[in-house]
Order: sequence, then C-alpha cells, then structure tokens
Amino acid sequence: EVVMTQSPLSLPGPLGQPASISCRSSQSLVHSNGNTYLTWFHQRPGQSPRRLIYKVSNRDSGVPDRFSGSGSGTDFTLKISRVEAEDVGVYYCMQATLWPRTFGQGTRVEIE
Amino acid sequence: EVQLVESGGDLVQPGGSLRLSCSASGFTFSNYGMHWVRQAPGKGLEYVSGISSKGDNANYVDSVKGRFTISRDNSKNTLYFQMNSLRLEDTAVYYCVKDDGGTYDYWGQGTLVTVSS
Repeated sequence: EVVMTQSPLSLPGPLGQPASISCRSSQSLVHSNGNTYLTWFHQRPGQSPRRLIYKVSNRDSGVPDRFSGSGSGTDFTLKISRVEAEDVGVYYCMQATLWPRTFGQGTRVEIE
Repeated sequence: EVQLVESGGDLVQPGGSLRLSCSASGFTFSNYGMHWVRQAPGKGLEYVSGISSKGDNANYVDSVKGRFTISRDNSKNTLYFQMNSLRLEDTAVYYCVKDDGGTYDYWGQGTLVTVSS
C-alpha cells in the first residue's frame, strides 16, 4: 500500500500570507500511461470534500488561482499564495495511481 | 448538474448488515467508474472500494475484503454497497464518489453508518 505523508498536520495561516502543504508518497506515483494521479481535496467543516487540483497541477474550474499544485514522482506541494478566511478546513492529498487508493492524513488550516 | 445522493445508512449491531445506495444524475453514469470513501468521526478520509464503469472490475481495501461488495445498476443510475459482518471500526460517513479518469471530481453528501451494540 502506498503511504501518503502530509506535513504539516496543522497550519495556522495568517490572513493574506502564503501557505504550503507537502505530500510525500512511499512509491512513485507515475502511472505506466505517463500520468501522475495525485489529487488535492479541501473539506470544510460539516461538508463533503471538494476537489481542488488534479493530476498534480490542474486546477478545477471555480478554484481561485491563488491555489496551485506542483511536484513529481514522490514529492508534491499545494500552495496558497494568500490565505483567505474561506480557506479554513482540512486539505487532503490522494493518489490514484496504485491500488488501493490512499489519502494523506490531512492538514488542518486555521486562520489566525 | 452532477448529483450523487447516498442513502441506507443506519444504526446496526456488530455482525449485522446494511446496503447503501447512491443515486446518480447529471452525467452518463454508465461511462464512469465509481467509488466509496469513508470517514470515521473526527478522522481522515479512507478509500474503501471502487467499481469500473461496466461493473466488471471491483477493488477493495484489505480491511473490507470478503465482507463488503460493491455493485452497480447502470439502467437505474445507481451504485450499491452491501456491507456484511459489520464491525465497530466500520462506523463512518460513507461517501459515493465519481471517478473522472483517475481523479475524483464529485462527492455525495455522505450517509452515516453507526455500528454499535
């Protein structure tokens, strides 16, 4: 099973400041078809997860451009260029390259 | 608009059974793989099971193999999850999730399964 390790697990994000979440996988997430199936989700309190970024760096429609994803192989990052109040919640990375699919532990973003 | 509506969650005793359903609309259900992801109270997300678009290939996390069965009825746009021999640790909100080619683009609101004596 691929282990996904996120850090930090808690992120006090001052409003207007940048924030960064790391996600590392125990195996390469490059699929035999050349794609890397690394996805980032955001879950607000009491809500279902919402996809933010897919295949490492593709932002979903409606996701503010202050969110960006990068990385390759086993090392990935979600960046928020300027934290806003609506960004509070838990962020998860997930791999869908290998079975079973696995999630990171989650990173809680709180607004200072 | 894509909608995934789960149902069937309930309070059940250890060793009991439940069948979850997920009614899909707003997309061509038969073209997409589907999954179940769960979240125990106050915990993170855990992938549980997935099924191919035609229903001919299914996968499970080890902890539910032999106890849970995923299936689908493409004529009814519905995903199912038969859960047998339920354990205390199966207590969670179960989400139905649509697969957009290896990335999960839509989630239902979830249905709560509580296993308790």
